[in-house]
Amino acid sequence: DTGVSQDPRHKITKRGQNVTFRCDPISEHNRLYWYRQTLGQGPEFLTYFQNEAQLEKSRLLSDRFSAERPKGSFSTLEIQRTEQGDSAMYLCASSLGAAGNNEQFFGPGTRLTVL
Amino acid sequence: AQSVSQHNHHVILSEAASLELGCNYSYGGTVNLFWYVQYPGQHLQLLLKYFSGDPLVKGIKGFEAEFIKSKFSFNLRKPSVQWSDTAEYFCAVKTSYDKVIFGPGTSLSVIP
Repeated sequence: DTGVSQDPRHKITKRGQNVTFRCDPISEHNRLYWYRQTLGQGPEFLTYFQNEAQLEKSRLLSDRFSAERPKGSFSTLEIQRTEQGDSAMYLCASSLGAAGNNEQFFGPGTRLTVL
Repeated sequence: AQSVSQHNHHVILSEAASLELGCNYSYGGTVNLFWYVQYPGQHLQLLLKYFSGDPLVKGIKGFEAEFIKSKFSFNLRKPSVQWSDTAEYFCAVKTSYDKVIFGPGTSLSVIP
């Protein structure tokens, strides 16, 4: 499968624990996006990268959230000191060029449950 | 603040019925508009997009959408739905920079 992959697919954690998610974009795509989706809502933008540079972060991304894309390939999203409100589906997408002008390809998502 | 609204949360249709899903956005500048679809158990995927030119755009699987700038709308249509169109449909708009804002989604159930 040469699409966007995410790992893990599901994560259950206790409140206060740290979690890290990984996204592997389509190999030639230079843009990578993170979204959060809760039940009954569309994806909410969190942040995006062009190659290894993080270009924009949403106000939704509190200090407990950090994302990296160290070599311009895969990306990680870390949530520190998780809270129950962090429970959601975390989606990754990639595109060849700007998402506004090119199709974003989405991964299957990582479903986080914080107990 | 920029936002996208979708008129219906859940739509139920019989096969062969016509479909129209409403989408409105709030942004006064130039926009790029999208409809994404998520079939049960599958990833989000692009259905169609509008960047410029003809305001009537055609997408995959017989879907089309019309951009009406004066109404800030981008409604999705299909003349005859099939059971396989059962899915969640998301309208989205790209405004400034490279941020895409999604609507809350409309769940479509097609009854055979």
